[in-house]
Amino acid sequence: NAGVTQTPKFRILKIGQSMTLQCTQDMNHNYMYWYRQDPGMGLKLIYYSVGAGITDKGEVPNGYNVSRSTTEDFPLRLELAAPSQTSVYFCASRPENTEAFFGQGTRLTVV
Amino acid sequence: AQSVSQHNHHVILSEAASLELGCNYSYGGTVNLFWYVQYPGQHLQLLLKYFSGDPLVKGIKGFEAEFIKSKFSFNLRKPSVQWSDTAEYFCADYEAGKLIFGQGTELSVKP
Repeated sequence: NAGVTQTPKFRILKIGQSMTLQCTQDMNHNYMYWYRQDPGMGLKLIYYSVGAGITDKGEVPNGYNVSRSTTEDFPLRLELAAPSQTSVYFCASRPENTEAFFGQGTRLTVV
Repeated sequence: AQSVSQHNHHVILSEAASLELGCNYSYGGTVNLFWYVQYPGQHLQLLLKYFSGDPLVKGIKGFEAEFIKSKFSFNLRKPSVQWSDTAEYFCADYEAGKLIFGQGTELSVKP
């Protein structure tokens, strides 16, 4: 099993550009999450999903969108990139009633 | 509103010293508590988890944690740290499907 796979690993965007961070899991997990991690700030929940077709906002959803058309995929979309979105993004998934598994992360820089 | 709080932001220890990192949670529903570790440049990995049963939980790499319901605490301990334990440690809790993290504690172990 590949687990949770995030692509790309690194990306530099210009202000105002858009991009999609991909997240795929092959463990048939219902729950999926997107976090951003900034130095000294811990992990902030952006969006989450409890199953295909269902998504909900976390603590810091502004400037982001998600979709969950399949169990496996949970892409995160940035429409108009801003310097404040420079961060490391982690995707995670979990089954019912146990721990979450994390992807390797995407380091995004907006210039 | 639920939250997870970690008391220490940065802890510096010498090798062989004992470690205790504090974590308090506020969610009053079903208990699902975790400690994750993030080594420099890597993604989060599970150290241990507690759902029910024996309040003293043993995890990987010699770590353990004690769940104290009356204090809403889930502190992480290790009797003797090693240089390789240098990392960031996160306490986490589930609330209504969301996985919420504390701010993290950066542990530096001096050889």
